[in-house]
Amino acid sequence: GNSVTQMEGPVTLSEEAFLTINCTYTATGYPSLFWYVQYPGEGLQLLLKATKADDKGSNKGFEATYRKETTSFHLEKGSVQVSDSAVYFCALSDRFGNEKLTFGTGTRLTIIP
Amino acid sequence: EAGVTQFPSHSVIEKGQTVTLRCDPISGHDNLYWYRRVMGKEIKFLLHFVKESKQDESGMPNNRFLAERTGGTYSTLKVQPAELEDSGVYFCASSQERWGAPEAFFGQGTRLTVV
Repeated sequence: GNSVTQMEGPVTLSEEAFLTINCTYTATGYPSLFWYVQYPGEGLQLLLKATKADDKGSNKGFEATYRKETTSFHLEKGSVQVSDSAVYFCALSDRFGNEKLTFGTGTRLTIIP
Repeated sequence: EAGVTQFPSHSVIEKGQTVTLRCDPISGHDNLYWYRRVMGKEIKFLLHFVKESKQDESGMPNNRFLAERTGGTYSTLKVQPAELEDSGVYFCASSQERWGAPEAFFGQGTRLTVV
């Protein structure tokens, strides 16, 4: 079955540091890949997505590239801000109609000033 | 436009009691999903409605869980009787499209604690 393995947290960084959160997946076929974010007191929000190999999703300074050869979708940001503190979830869905999401365990990110 | 709304935000009940969670999806969204996150682990799929029909309920843990979506609008998830291992955060999500990796819009979740 499908699975997502995500970098264990929590992760604490100083403001303006470089961020990488690793995510690898196992899936049959050609899944779509997502990063969702949950800010304190809020629901999950879609941060970015990629639907085919070599696609790069980007939003709010975050980027992730769909790497089929390494089955990875690592999240990166060049300079994090305190407002980026949140829990980040990597997820996938099958492309052919099985649209339910399979999530990783989540990574709690804390940015200190 | 209102987002996905879940009620209650928190619920504490005793083992053996019944709890009903409610989800109001975004208006016009035919697809409604329930997910659960237990003890800081991964968020797991429970079931998927398309309008009022259950499209996929493969993630429902056992027959103590009953989900309904009357008239294809709001949905309820009833746990009866609740057990300690049912504690967790229950998320509801809705989407308009089904194909092509649509964005799922999530509610804030209901934190259920069974004591």
